[in-house]
Amino acid sequence: EVQLVESGGGLVQPGGSLRLSCAASGFTFSDHHIDWVRQAPGKGLEWVGRTRNKAKGYSTEYAASVKGRFTLSRDDKSVNLQMNSLETEDTAVYYCVRDYCEIPGKTAFDIWGQGTMVTVSS
Amino acid sequence: AIQMTQSPSSLSASVGDRVTITCRASQGIGNDLGWYQQKPGKTPKVLIYAASTLQSGVPSRFSGSGSGTDFTLTISSLQPEDSATYYCLQDDSYPLAFGGGTKVEIK
Repeated sequence: EVQLVESGGGLVQPGGSLRLSCAASGFTFSDHHIDWVRQAPGKGLEWVGRTRNKAKGYSTEYAASVKGRFTLSRDDKSVNLQMNSLETEDTAVYYCVRDYCEIPGKTAFDIWGQGTMVTVSS
Repeated sequence: AIQMTQSPSSLSASVGDRVTITCRASQGIGNDLGWYQQKPGKTPKVLIYAASTLQSGVPSRFSGSGSGTDFTLTISSLQPEDSATYYCLQDDSYPLAFGGGTKVEIK
């Protein structure tokens, strides 16, 4: 079965750190860009960042709201999201997402993990 | 950064109605736009990518159109299972950006 599974969420104080992981199964992980999307409680979707596929050197991109605080790393089996200097506004469900599109260069988030909750609160 | 503005933020329609949701980009994005459906308590699902290409397995009552700055998602005949929140996503340039969402309710 093609799936993504996130782990590592939890409760952390403002200013603290947390590391999320995303493990893949059922497909060739290194072939795909992997993104993180978050959703604050009762709010909309927010794109967090991307790690490109192996052919593109696992290079990364970030949303302005997390740049300099969050860091993506990746190997052939999993993706990690290191979150530092956490703020209350980072409270959200974090989804790991596969980008697979029939048209090269286009984006389609076709596989979503179940999400992991991050709560930043004192 | 490109901003995505969706309208309306919510709508209520009857089964069988034609429903249209719009998404406007703050600058031209070609056809680099996707549409996603999220039902309560569920993860989002891709409906359309590249503005008008239907994702495999998505019912044909869903269609997308537009290019440049203005885009439309149309449900040709609303069904009870279409009750959900719909989001657009621009993937033309980084940072990628979702619209604010449109909640569709069934009367």
